[in-house]
Amino acid sequence: NAGVTQTPKFRILKIGQSMTLQCTQDMNHNYMYWYRQDPGMGLKLIYYSVGAGITDKGEVPNGYNVSRSTTEDFPLRLELAAPSQTSVYFCASSYSFVGVGTEAFFGQGTRLTVV
Amino acid sequence: KQEVTQIPAALSVPEGENLVLNCSFTDSAIYNLQWFRQDPGKGLTSLLLIQSSQREQTSGRLNASLDKSSGRSTLYIAASQPGDSATYLCAAGSSNTGKLIFGQGTTLQVKP
Repeated sequence: NAGVTQTPKFRILKIGQSMTLQCTQDMNHNYMYWYRQDPGMGLKLIYYSVGAGITDKGEVPNGYNVSRSTTEDFPLRLELAAPSQTSVYFCASSYSFVGVGTEAFFGQGTRLTVV
Repeated sequence: KQEVTQIPAALSVPEGENLVLNCSFTDSAIYNLQWFRQDPGKGLTSLLLIQSSQREQTSGRLNASLDKSSGRSTLYIAASQPGDSATYLCAAGSSNTGKLIFGQGTTLQVKP
C-alpha cells in the first residue's frame, strides 16, 4: 500500500533556484493538498485541488505554483527559491474535502532548505 | 478567521500516567475536529476524527472529546507508554471553507 508518496525527501536549494516537489497518490482520491510546516508551528495550506484540472489557493500560496493534470499527481513548483521557503512540505489526499470529515492521508514530507 | 491553539507546547510524563492534551478553536462553525500523530521526520497519521454532531471518539487507549460551544477538544491518553512519544496535532475542519486549520502541536515525551 503506497498511499501518498513524496519525492525528494530532502533538498538544499540556493536562493533563486527553482525546483518541483513531486506528489503522487494511488488511492484514486479527487482531493489533494500541499501544506508547509515551519518549526514549532502547525501546518499551513499552500494550494489544493478538487480534481484533475482544478486547483485553488490556500492560506500561503505566494511563491508557489501547482498543476493537476492527472488524478494521481499534484506537483508543487518553487520558481525563485527564497530563504523564507525553508520548511517541511507535506502533500496529502482525501476522498472528499478533508474539512468536512473525510480522513486525510499524508506523505512523509520533503525537508527543503534554501541557502 | 478560525484559529486553533494547543496547550501545552511540550509535555514530559513518566510511563503509565494518564494525560490530557488540549486543543481550542475560535470559530465553533466546524465540520469536525481531527487529531493527528507526527513522529520525528515523518508525516502525519490520523488518530481520531470527531464529527461536529458527536461528543467523543475512542480508539484503544485514546479518547477524544469535542465541545463546540466552548471551542475545545481534548485528547486523553490512558496508561501512557514510551511509544506514545510524538507530536500530537489537532485540526478543525472549517464549515465555511471546508479546509483543515491546524494547531501548532503538543510534543509529548513519555519516560520509561
